[in-house]
Amino acid sequence: ETGVTQTPRHLVMGMTNKKSLKCEQHLGHNAMYWYKQSAKKPLELMFVYNFKEQTENNSVPSRFSPECPNSSHLFLHLHTLQPEDSALYLCASSQDSTGGAKNIQYFGAGTRLSVL
Amino acid sequence: GNSVTQMEGPVTLSEEAFLTINCTYTATGYPSLFWYVQYPGEGLQLLLKATKADDKGSNKGFEATYRKETTSFHLEKGSVQVSDSAVYFCALSGPGSARQLTFGSGTQLTVLP
Repeated sequence: ETGVTQTPRHLVMGMTNKKSLKCEQHLGHNAMYWYKQSAKKPLELMFVYNFKEQTENNSVPSRFSPECPNSSHLFLHLHTLQPEDSALYLCASSQDSTGGAKNIQYFGAGTRLSVL
Repeated sequence: GNSVTQMEGPVTLSEEAFLTINCTYTATGYPSLFWYVQYPGEGLQLLLKATKADDKGSNKGFEATYRKETTSFHLEKGSVQVSDSAVYFCALSGPGSARQLTFGSGTQLTVLP
């Protein structure tokens, strides 16, 4: 148990569906992250939130829409996805996003997404 | 920009064998270096870290030494167990604007009984 909980663990959706991924951290951290993990590719950082403010968006398509209502919760809203968006989506949190040894990230178990 | 290169897998070893997974990096300044491990069906967990040159990170029998002169952070374990089967990721976090984690592509390790 890392203190970061992601739901659902598995999700199958059609290209016209709208769904949301949820992440919750119980570590008192101020920064939260979304990553995409595809087979045989390095982890791709998607979004970073620090103190509820989005600080990074790594050229992610607009069909992915993040939301961070408070420092403990992070959502990823999905709509009109493509089959190539099928992947493991990982959430992480850290004390803050300043980097270095203070930026140890704690990961959730991920949501395995399949887009049909 | 920052980058991490780690040896491609998969790596298959017998129980009690010696493990080395190579990792080299490119970064400006003095990054912090990490090894993360991902067990089947789980997210990534921090295995060990080092924050400055010549630091040795260690945990659960794994070790890695921050080598500035060779820009390397190789992961080693003297005697692997079946339970060590997982994917191992080398990562760095740089100072300043490059502060986010940059991961290598991961190395799949399978340990056979």
